[in-house]
Amino acid sequence: GNSVTQMEGPVTLSEEAFLTINCTYTATGYPSLFWYVQYPGEGLQLLLKATKADDKGSNKGFEATYRKETTSFHLEKGSVQVSDSAVYFCALKYSGSARQLTFGSGTQLTVLP
Amino acid sequence: EAGVTQFPSHSVIEKGQTVTLRCDPISGHDNLYWYRRVMGKEIKFLLHFVKESKQDESGMPNNRFLAERTGGTYSTLKVQPAELEDSGVYFCASSRLLADFETQYFGPGTRLLVL
Repeated sequence: GNSVTQMEGPVTLSEEAFLTINCTYTATGYPSLFWYVQYPGEGLQLLLKATKADDKGSNKGFEATYRKETTSFHLEKGSVQVSDSAVYFCALKYSGSARQLTFGSGTQLTVLP
Repeated sequence: EAGVTQFPSHSVIEKGQTVTLRCDPISGHDNLYWYRRVMGKEIKFLLHFVKESKQDESGMPNNRFLAERTGGTYSTLKVQPAELEDSGVYFCASSRLLADFETQYFGPGTRLLVL
């Protein structure tokens, strides 16, 4: 079946450090890939997405590239801020009738000033 | 535009009791999903409504869970009787009835603790 494996957390970084959160997936066909973020006390928000191989999603300084050859969608940011502290979830979804998202376990990120 | 809202934000109940969670999707969104995150693990799909019809309920864990969406607007998820393993965060999401590249918008979740 489909699955998403995320880097284990928690991750603690200093402000302005480089961030990578690894995400790999197992799926048949060509799913769309997503990163969602959950800030403290809030719901999940879509951070970025990519719908086909080699697409790069980007938002708020975060980037992730859909790598079909390595079945990966790693999240990166060049310089994190304290306000980026949150839980990050990688997810995949197929087109067609089965529209549900399949999520990874989430990675807690804490950025220290 | 108001986002997805969920009520209550927190619920603490005893084993064997009944709890009903409510989700109000974004106005005009025909797709409504329920997910839950148990014990800090991955978020798992429970079921999917299209308007008032259950499109997919393959993720519902057992018959103690009952979801409804009368009239195709808000949805309720009832757990009866609740068990300890039902504790977790229950998320609702909605999206427009479009094709493949829909974006699901999530609510803040209901934190359920069963003692």
